[in-house]
Order: sequence, then structure tokens, then C-alpha cells
Amino acid sequence: QSVLTQPPSVSGAPGQRVTISCTGSSSNIGADYDVHWYQRLPGTAPKLLIYGNTNRPSGVPDRFSGSKSGTSASLAITGLQAEDEADYYCQSYDSSLSGVVFGGGTKLTVL
Amino acid sequence: QVQLQESGPGLVKPSETLSLTCTVSGGSITSYYWSWIRQPPGKGLEWIGYIYYSGSTNYNPSLKSRVTISVDTSKNQFSLKLSSVTAADTAVYYCARLRPNPFDWLIPYYFDYWGQGTLVTVSS
Repeated sequence: QSVLTQPPSVSGAPGQRVTISCTGSSSNIGADYDVHWYQRLPGTAPKLLIYGNTNRPSGVPDRFSGSKSGTSASLAITGLQAEDEADYYCQSYDSSLSGVVFGGGTKLTVL
Repeated sequence: QVQLQESGPGLVKPSETLSLTCTVSGGSITSYYWSWIRQPPGKGLEWIGYIYYSGSTNYNPSLKSRVTISVDTSKNQFSLKLSSVTAADTAVYYCARLRPNPFDWLIPYYFDYWGQGTLVTVSS
């Protein structure tokens, strides 16, 4: 049972827009701790996709964007491509646990 | 470019201690936090703990009684020991660099560099 809740799976056709939600509580996202997103392609290590809710590291396409409101955050992917098929994880800090927390992960399927 | 590489046994017997080392290259370990994360088969990512180069640590409460993370700045390495392992500890173990919150260095922020991961199986 992950502290942050993500949908197990989402899907979309090439070119479409999909969003992945990440729901927390008053001790993490709701306490104004930032949310970060990672992409894990099959057989590879997770890669930082979004940090500080909305910021993209160098090299990450602007098709990926993040947002945060209240106790939730979202990752949006526009212009879906086959290469985007991967697992996506959100991450934040939890003051009750005094540590790092992850979402359970969302598998994105490109139809 | 910072690179991290995990090393250690891929098979550990139940009740024994899992030991892994992460070697950091392309940058000094004497800054930032350094962390271990794992992913059991078919499950999500689980944070294990992190260490600052000075030696201060923070562990996941669910694993705290069994985990020790240490750092060797002379070798640019940090290590994980997980005691009394069971089959539930079978996972891919990743080491990663953990950046601190820019407004409060005591708060962990995000992982910007990861090792490739190493599968550790607990079995007799």
C-alpha cells in the first residue's frame, strides 16, 4: 500500500493526451511538499522526468508537464508516442514518516 | 556526468544479511544525499534510506530495524546492509543520488542520478 495513490494503468492512442494522477494527504503533497515524477522504461532504471512539481530536467521533451493542486499532482503527456510506453512514478516527502514516499506506479500503454 | 554502479551478491540465503555497494564516478560523494531504493517483482518503488556524506542517515520506518547505510568517502562509495532477509526482500535494488530541498537541506527532494539496478534474490 503506497502512501501516494496512482491509477494502475492508463492508455492512449498515438498523438493523444493522457494524464496520470498522484493523490496524497495532508502530511505530504497537502503539506506543500513538492512532487517529482520518474519514467521507467522496460528493463531500465527510473529516469527523472519532472522535479519541483513543474520543472523538466534538460533533455526531457516539453510534451511532458506536471502540475500540483491541494493534495494531488498530475503528469500530462501530450502528442503521445510509442516510446512513451513505460511505468511512471510520483514521489514526494512525508512529514509523518520523515522520509521519501513513492506512488505505486502507473503503466502507460500506447495503443 | 555522474554515474552510479551497484555491486554485490545476486543471491542471499534467508535469515542472512544482504550487502550491496554503490560506487560513484564522475563526481564527488562529499555532497548531496545518497540513497537506496528497491523494487520487488511486479511491485512499485520502495525507498529504503539515505545517507549524507557526513554519515547522518534516515531510514524507511518499515525497514529501520534491519537497515544500515554507510559511506566511504575515500572510495567514493556507499553501502547497504539489510539483515534477516526473507523472500519478501527479493527485489531489484537501485542506488541513487538524492538532492536536498533547496529551501531546507534537511528535507530530501528528488533523485537525479540512478544506478542501473541489481537483482537480489533471497532463496536457499
